[in-house]
Amino acid sequence: KNEVEQSPQNLTAQEGEFITINCSYSVGISALHWLQQHPGGGIVSLFMLSSGKKKHGRLIATINIQEKHSSLHITASHPRDSAVYICAALKTSYDKVIFGPGTSLSVIP
Amino acid sequence: EAGVTQSPTHLIKTRGQQATLRCSPISGHTSVYWYQQALGLGLQFLLWYDEGEERNRGNFPPRFSGRQFPNYSSELNVNALELEDSALYLCASSLETGVEQYFGPGTRLTVT
Repeated sequence: KNEVEQSPQNLTAQEGEFITINCSYSVGISALHWLQQHPGGGIVSLFMLSSGKKKHGRLIATINIQEKHSSLHITASHPRDSAVYICAALKTSYDKVIFGPGTSLSVIP
Repeated sequence: EAGVTQSPTHLIKTRGQQATLRCSPISGHTSVYWYQQALGLGLQFLLWYDEGEERNRGNFPPRFSGRQFPNYSSELNVNALELEDSALYLCASSLETGVEQYFGPGTRLTVT
């Protein structure tokens, strides 16, 4: 069993839909990253959170430390949101980042 | 402010050769991380440098090595290249350990 799992693996949505990507982890963490990787490989860090909720534009990330679960929400999705979204757990010992397998999102106009 | 930079963008080597990849962190960042993303696989943690020292490494053979210079830039060396080393190598930096990492654009290494 992977230490960091994501669901769904692939997601296709119509423009304007509300999207949720889930991440669950089994290790003790100090924080969790949500990353966006565009075709070609470039990675952008969207959020780093250790508790509660963060919002940036149409993106919202939440984390529940007790349940070891995080979600990334995209409101009013747009084709430019099409990318792979990766959650990455920063272990409590700060010595390692463990990546989830990624969720490939395609938003259709 | 400049982000994390990596060079070269693309690198083509033949099996058995050595590859050197470079990373310049954001100014003021002291931690540098290296990751490998092989085709069809997720990101894998390779190496972590902080204040010039190697703090941890992932499950990679010793032919993957690197160093961090006094200006906090870093080099990743891959010796005795194998075909399966073909991958996107990403570097990230952070202000200190345990805070948000910022990623560079990556170096795409192709081993033929």
